[in-house]
Amino acid sequence: RKEVEQDPGPFNVPEGATVAFNCTYSNSASQSFFWYRQDCRKEPKLLMSVYSSGNEDGRFTAQLNRASQYISLLIRDSKLSDSATYLCVVNYGQNFVFGPGTRLSVLP
Amino acid sequence: NAGVTQTPKFRVLKTGQSMTLLCAQDMNHEYMYWYRQDPGMGLRLIHYSVGEGTTAKGEVPDGYNVSRLKKQNFLLGLESAAPSQTSVYFCASSYGSLKPQHFGDGTRLSIL
Repeated sequence: RKEVEQDPGPFNVPEGATVAFNCTYSNSASQSFFWYRQDCRKEPKLLMSVYSSGNEDGRFTAQLNRASQYISLLIRDSKLSDSATYLCVVNYGQNFVFGPGTRLSVLP
Repeated sequence: NAGVTQTPKFRVLKTGQSMTLLCAQDMNHEYMYWYRQDPGMGLRLIHYSVGEGTTAKGEVPDGYNVSRLKKQNFLLGLESAAPSQTSVYFCASSYGSLKPQHFGDGTRLSIL
């Protein structure tokens, strides 16, 4: 089993749609979880941290399920500017493991 | 705010040449990381450092060396470049493994 796995994508959705991404991780000792977005040929940028109780930032909601070892990201009311690759990141000891990413295209 | 700065932005090398990539951060972060990203793939950790004077191997360390002589700088060296090392290299830093990483804008390296 890979350390961090994500929905393979790509996801093509119309503007205004709600889209959800899932991520699973293999290390039950992991303690920190993040979602990053990466635009084509750019550096990854932090979208949001993921907390045990779940957290929301505007149109974005992140959830963590420790028992099942998965995290999710929900994007409501998708905008054209949300088109990017979304990376799930999990800490393994002193470093981080990145998932392969899920590409999202929001269509007009 | 500069954040994480990588130099150079682009470089073309011939097989067998050596070079050093520089990463500098001004956020007083303890942890620093070097990743490579190949087309269609996720980021893979090359080496990392949890403090000045310390380094550790990541997932793909072969062919690379690193040094962290100063807290704010993390250098990645290629002693004898190979075409398989053609990639985009990202540096990142963080306060620790429980805190998010901040990335530089990458170095695009081509080895002919």
